[in-house]
Amino acid sequence: EAQVTQNPRYLITVTGKKLTVTCSQNMNHEYMSWYRQDPGLGLRQIYYSMNVEVTDKGDVPEGYKVSRKEKRNFPLILESPSPNQTSLYFCASSLSLGGKTEAFFGQGTRLTVV
Amino acid sequence: GNSVTQMEGPVTLSEEAFLTINCTYTATGYPSLFWYVQYPGEGLQLLLKATKADDKGSNKGFEATYRKETTSFHLEKGSVQVSDSAVYFCALRNNFNKFYFGSGTKLNVKP
Repeated sequence: EAQVTQNPRYLITVTGKKLTVTCSQNMNHEYMSWYRQDPGLGLRQIYYSMNVEVTDKGDVPEGYKVSRKEKRNFPLILESPSPNQTSLYFCASSLSLGGKTEAFFGQGTRLTVV
Repeated sequence: GNSVTQMEGPVTLSEEAFLTINCTYTATGYPSLFWYVQYPGEGLQLLLKATKADDKGSNKGFEATYRKETTSFHLEKGSVQVSDSAVYFCALRNNFNKFYFGSGTKLNVKP
């Protein structure tokens, strides 16, 4: 089954404790991205990747890191989480066909930083 | 620049009512347009899409037409059901593959 898998689904952590949210897709998609969803603000892009070893900042990259060492995986790293990073996070992937194809989303990771 | 504006919610309707959720966009080039739906506790799922002007996307009774002249992609359904209660996102994807999402519109359908 074609899917984007995020782990964990729920995470509560303390300020400053490094964490990684994993994202994996099985559709051989070139394009992958991370979003955060906050009430009233919709989806905001954190980072995106056009292909292996190619990443770039989205609209709200501060406090986050990513890597793309393999095509299927795109982990999101919070080196020193802070309470303002409490949010619902989504990973998405898609083919890169001149912008004609849709994105497939993971189930989301609800992160709480206390 | 690129952006998507959609009507603020929540939108509350009775079952079998007609639904319209407005979406307008600003884009350079020739974007593709999408509607996604998010059910409670779940990720976003593609509802429908249109990749060029005058295309009509449709799925599960929902429709939207890509109107270049009015830069709009309004979502419509003739008769909503309680099971359509969800948050709906309008989005565009530009020729550089980047996505832009609206802020979402919550739909509540009452029996």
